[in-house]
Order: sequence, then C-alpha cells, then structure tokens
Amino acid sequence: EVKLVESGGALVQPGGSLRLSCVASGFDFSTYWASWVRQAPGKGLEWVANIDQDGSRTFHVDSVEGRFTISRDNAKNSLFLQMNSLRAEDTAVYFCAREIPGGASSFDYWGQGTLVTVSS
Amino acid sequence: EIVLTQSPATLSLSPGERATLSCRASQSRASTYLAWYQQKPGQAPRLLIYVISDAFNRATGIPDRFSGSRSGTDFTLTISRLEPEDFAVYYCQRYGVFGQGTKVEI
Repeated sequence: EVKLVESGGALVQPGGSLRLSCVASGFDFSTYWASWVRQAPGKGLEWVANIDQDGSRTFHVDSVEGRFTISRDNAKNSLFLQMNSLRAEDTAVYFCAREIPGGASSFDYWGQGTLVTVSS
Repeated sequence: EIVLTQSPATLSLSPGERATLSCRASQSRASTYLAWYQQKPGQAPRLLIYVISDAFNRATGIPDRFSGSRSGTDFTLTISRLEPEDFAVYYCQRYGVFGQGTKVEI
C-alpha cells in the first residue's frame, strides 16, 4: 500500500523557520518525482515545489523562491521542505504528493497533510 | 503562465443527476496533460482522472461514472449519476497549476 505521512507542522512566528518531513512507503520512492502542495484555510490548492528522483532538479513557486527549499533523502524514503522567513500568508495545510511518471506534475498519491500556522 | 478557469463555482444537484464540470486552460500545448481531483472536507485530494498525451485514464479504484473529455483548451469532468459520496469540491490541474475548484453540493 502506498503511503505518504507528513510531519513537522506547527505554530511559528512570522520570520521563523520550520522543516516539514514526509515519509514514503509501499513503493520505490527513489524512482518518482515528488511535490509539496499547500492549501490555505478555506482556499484552493497551490503547488509549492517539486524535486526529481535524485534531487538534482528542484522547482519552487515564485512566492516561496529563496525562502523555501525542497530536498529528499532516498535512503530514508523521505521528502523535506525547509521553510524560512515565514509569513502569515504561508499559513496552510501542506501536503506531500507523488507525481505520476510522465504526467507533467499530476499527483496520484497524497499524504494527509500537516498544518503550518504563522502567527504572532 | 497557465491559468485554469473552472466553472461553475458551485453546482447544486440531486443524487442520481448528471454533473458536468468545466475547466478552461489559458494556453494550448502540443502535448495534453490534465488531472481532476476530488476533495472532501478535512481530507487530502484524491486523483480521479488524468490525461497524458490525449489519453484519458481513470485512477485506480475510481468508478466508471467518472469520465473526462476535451475540446481544444476546454476540459470536462462528467459524473454520470451522482452518488451521495460524490458531493465534494473538484479541482482541475495542469503543469502544477490548479483551477479554483467547483463545489458540487446537494
């Protein structure tokens, strides 16, 4: 069974940092692109960042470029999102998701999400 | 930048009725990719339909009352007969960009 389990969400002050983790199981994690997608309270979905199979290529949405960094550790079947200089508008549930091979960043499996709240 | 415009914002229907959801892409690409997701409150999105190079595919475990089609830059998700569990929000997505969602309500 494919599973993605996120952790690391918390309440953090503006300007603070947080590191999200996602542990994958039930498939060969090292052969898939992976993404972070977020959803602000009561809002729609927003793709945040993705990373290729060996971590050599990463892409981030403009609104987080220079503040967030996606990375992975295939030996630990783990995906990470380092979030620095957090802003109130970063408040959201953050999902990790597996990308469909050749599917141009479409996602066939999602984690349950972890809540990040940025507030003083 | 790709923009996906979903319509209508809200669809009010009854169980057993047919639902037709639209997603219009701002750009046409030589290769066609699109995905449709269903999301219920407090849950992660669930993949329903994905399109790779004009081939429409239902995701694993998705019943055949869900289908997709395309005409140019207009994509349609059809639910042939609504079941009670189908009332949810539906998103289209292409190249990482999501539409704003269509809520299917009773």
